[in-house]
Amino acid sequence: DVVMTQTPPSLSVAIGQSVSISCKSSQSLVYSDGKTYLHWLLQSPGRSPKRLIYQVSNLGSGVPDRFSGTGSQKDFTLKISRVEAEDLGVYYCAQTTHFPPTFGSGTKLEIK
Amino acid sequence: QVQLKESGPGLVQPSQTLSLTCTVSGLSLTSNSVSWIRQPPGKGLEWMGVIWSNGGTDYNSAIKSRLSISRDTSKSQVFLKMNSLQTEDTAMYFCAGGGFDYWGQGVMVTVSS
Repeated sequence: DVVMTQTPPSLSVAIGQSVSISCKSSQSLVYSDGKTYLHWLLQSPGRSPKRLIYQVSNLGSGVPDRFSGTGSQKDFTLKISRVEAEDLGVYYCAQTTHFPPTFGSGTKLEIK
Repeated sequence: QVQLKESGPGLVQPSQTLSLTCTVSGLSLTSNSVSWIRQPPGKGLEWMGVIWSNGGTDYNSAIKSRLSISRDTSKSQVFLKMNSLQTEDTAMYFCAGGGFDYWGQGVMVTVSS
């Protein structure tokens, strides 16, 4: 199975600051169709996960453009510009390029 | 508006079978896949299996021998059955549509006597 390694495991930021979360995969996530099926999810406290970004850099419906995703092959980053209070929770990267789909271990974002 | 909602028993005895239902609205099961994902308390996400738009299924090899996923397209429902439950199967169980695009609220399942 593809191992997804997220760092840092947690971070604490003040409102208005920017943060980046790293996700590295044990194999390239480029599929045979040329697309890269790396996604970012946010699980707010007590809630189910919500997809933020799909295929590396595409924002999900209703997701603010403060969120952005970059990366390629095995190295990916989620950036949150101007953090807001509602952004707290656990962020997961996930890959669906290879079977079975796998998730990172999560990055817990706390607000100072 | 797409909605998925899981339902099922909150408590299952060890060695028994878990049966869960995911009721889907706003999303065609014949055009979209539905996955089951679980999350033990305080832990991360584990993909369990998927039923594809054509009705085919794939399972996580770690639990494949215990797991079955099926559907009733007329009722827009997807079913999960997992047998031989143990305490380590205690988790929140989610269904997700279209490749993690849409998630249900989850249902907490506790395995205990």
